[in-house]
Amino acid sequence: GAVVSQHPSWVICKSGTSVKIECRSLDFQATTMFWYRQFPKQSLMLMATSNEGSKATYEQGVEKDKFLINHASLTLSTLTVTSAHPEDSSFYICSANNRRTNEKLFFGSGTQLSVL
Amino acid sequence: QKEVEQNSGPLSVPEGAIASLNCTYSDRGSQSFFWYRQYSGKSPELIMSIYSNGDKEDGRFTAQLNKASQYVSLLIRDSQPSDSATYLCAVNTGNQFYFGTGTSLTVIP
Repeated sequence: GAVVSQHPSWVICKSGTSVKIECRSLDFQATTMFWYRQFPKQSLMLMATSNEGSKATYEQGVEKDKFLINHASLTLSTLTVTSAHPEDSSFYICSANNRRTNEKLFFGSGTQLSVL
Repeated sequence: QKEVEQNSGPLSVPEGAIASLNCTYSDRGSQSFFWYRQYSGKSPELIMSIYSNGDKEDGRFTAQLNKASQYVSLLIRDSQPSDSATYLCAVNTGNQFYFGTGTSLTVIP
């Protein structure tokens, strides 16, 4: 299957700092990327949908100024958690697909964020 | 009504048995259906996709789709302890992917 690379896999930061998470599609062009967060033993929660070259569409309740998403190319999307707080500690997962050629959705390996 | 619904479980089966996981969806226009497996602390992994009514088999896994009933299921034959995970049902409506909350499966040795 297609490969989606997510980096870093684990990050610990101090409260108030910003953290950037990268999501790359390695062997296909990702026309759409999705960002999820997941708390322990809970289901995936979609945060935003990002289409290449356009602004991300955020789900209700997700602060767009806090979770900055950039999808500048067909292979890279980034999520920046700005002014992180302990309640932002979670497992963040990106996924990607190319709607023109492949309806399947492939996930990155996830980023565990711990804010102290 | 949620777009995709699954029984959260937990579902426990003995090793070697058949595990049956079920999922219903609300959008009749949905076109593609997927099953993902997620181990604790890991991201979801695609294990099956199905697009037309009927059964699709891949090794020990069989996906079943019934669009009239808006129902999709996953059967795992000869269940192994390594199959213990959360199984997510996903539906692509053409514009968006919707995930169920997942069914937790435990295979007891």
